[in-house]
Amino acid sequence: AQKVTQAQTEISVVEKEDVTLDCVYETRDTTYYLFWYKQPPSGELVFLIRRNSFDEQNEISGRYSWNFQKSTSSFNFTITASQVVDSAVYFCALSEVWNQGGKLIFGQGTELSVKP
Amino acid sequence: DGGITQSPKYLFRKEGQNVTLSCEQNLNHDAMYWYRQDPGQGLRLIYYSQIVNDFQKGDIAEGYSVSREKKESFPLTVTSAQKNPTAFYLCASTGGAYYGYTFGSGTRLTVV
Repeated sequence: AQKVTQAQTEISVVEKEDVTLDCVYETRDTTYYLFWYKQPPSGELVFLIRRNSFDEQNEISGRYSWNFQKSTSSFNFTITASQVVDSAVYFCALSEVWNQGGKLIFGQGTELSVKP
Repeated sequence: DGGITQSPKYLFRKEGQNVTLSCEQNLNHDAMYWYRQDPGQGLRLIYYSQIVNDFQKGDIAEGYSVSREKKESFPLTVTSAQKNPTAFYLCASTGGAYYGYTFGSGTRLTVV
């Protein structure tokens, strides 16, 4: 069965620290997509990144980087030199190609608090 | 610009009243979803629709109803049968597995 686990419920760091948010997934499909979303205090979920199951290249976007490892079924998200504006809830999600309509399976979310 | 509009942003209702939350998209997406989020909690799927005039129950459908008469619209009714309706409600749509979801800005419902 498909499942996404974000074991870290809450993380608190001080500004400028690096922080990694863990995401582990389960799927029987060989073709799937992984996503990260950010939910700031305003509530709307914002898309951050998509990765397909055939592309294990790590990705960097400014202070954000993502490490995708199929061998461990993980898709971890690192924020370098965290800032207060990074404070939000972050969700990891999985969609399977066979799953009609593209329904996402979400992890429980990790609430990140960055203190000045 | 294409997107999803949820209205209203805040909604207050008396206990025992039904209330309908609006969700409209102009992205030409076939699939639409309703989620409920309680404070400090994750997203729980209420209902979803993958095509007009068809919808399926999610994990917590009891006390809710939906309709999908038009591709653009997927309203959610919170009925008086819902025991604890106060929550944040998010609507989303997708064009397929590759795209992930586009989310609305949410409706915060408070029942007093």
